[in-house]
Amino acid sequence: SQKIEQNSEALNIQEGKTATLTCNYTNYSPAYLQWYRQDPGRGPVFLLLIRENEKEKRKERLKVTFDTTLKQSLFHITASQPADSATYLCALDPGAGNNRKLIWGLGTSLAVNP
Amino acid sequence: DSGVTQTPKHLITATGQRVTLRCSPRSGDLSVYWYQQSLDQGLQFLIHYYNGEERAKGNILERFSAQQFPDLHSELNLSSLELGDSALYFCASSVESGRYNEQFFGPGTRLTVL
Repeated sequence: SQKIEQNSEALNIQEGKTATLTCNYTNYSPAYLQWYRQDPGRGPVFLLLIRENEKEKRKERLKVTFDTTLKQSLFHITASQPADSATYLCALDPGAGNNRKLIWGLGTSLAVNP
Repeated sequence: DSGVTQTPKHLITATGQRVTLRCSPRSGDLSVYWYQQSLDQGLQFLIHYYNGEERAKGNILERFSAQQFPDLHSELNLSSLELGDSALYFCASSVESGRYNEQFFGPGTRLTVL
């Protein structure tokens, strides 16, 4: 069956360290993958998009990698800050024939401790 | 502020009732998506409209219906409400229905069914 999985356990790290979140998928050939941030009780906010032919994308302290062989995307936050504490969601476009309906992971909760 | 508005912010109602949630997309966005997010659950895609036409359906119950009007705002109608329908309902908009579209989420409507 088709699935998208993110670390279900919360990630706790110390301020200043690099946080690495994982998004794995099976039985999809996504055209692209997106990462969003969601704070409690609020709507997700788009962070980064990476296309199938891109290996890496950066934006300020954020970096996303996309390995279509491993069927995995990694999301890194460098020099993490307590304000980065949130839930991070990955979403993928499963490819043609799906009317561009994004498939969402359940998210990973990140807590950055001062 | 994403530019997507949703009303009302909170809604408390009883089982068996019917409610209407409203969403106004960002100026210029033609696509509207509806999602349900229950406690400890991920975003569940409900339905997608593009320029007034239904484009994709997800796990939307028959008791739920939606439409997008000529001015591009959208309404999600939930009827014969059950306790399990209590959730956050988000709408999101994007420029078009094609590839590489980030979605902009509204603040959500918190529905409580008593």
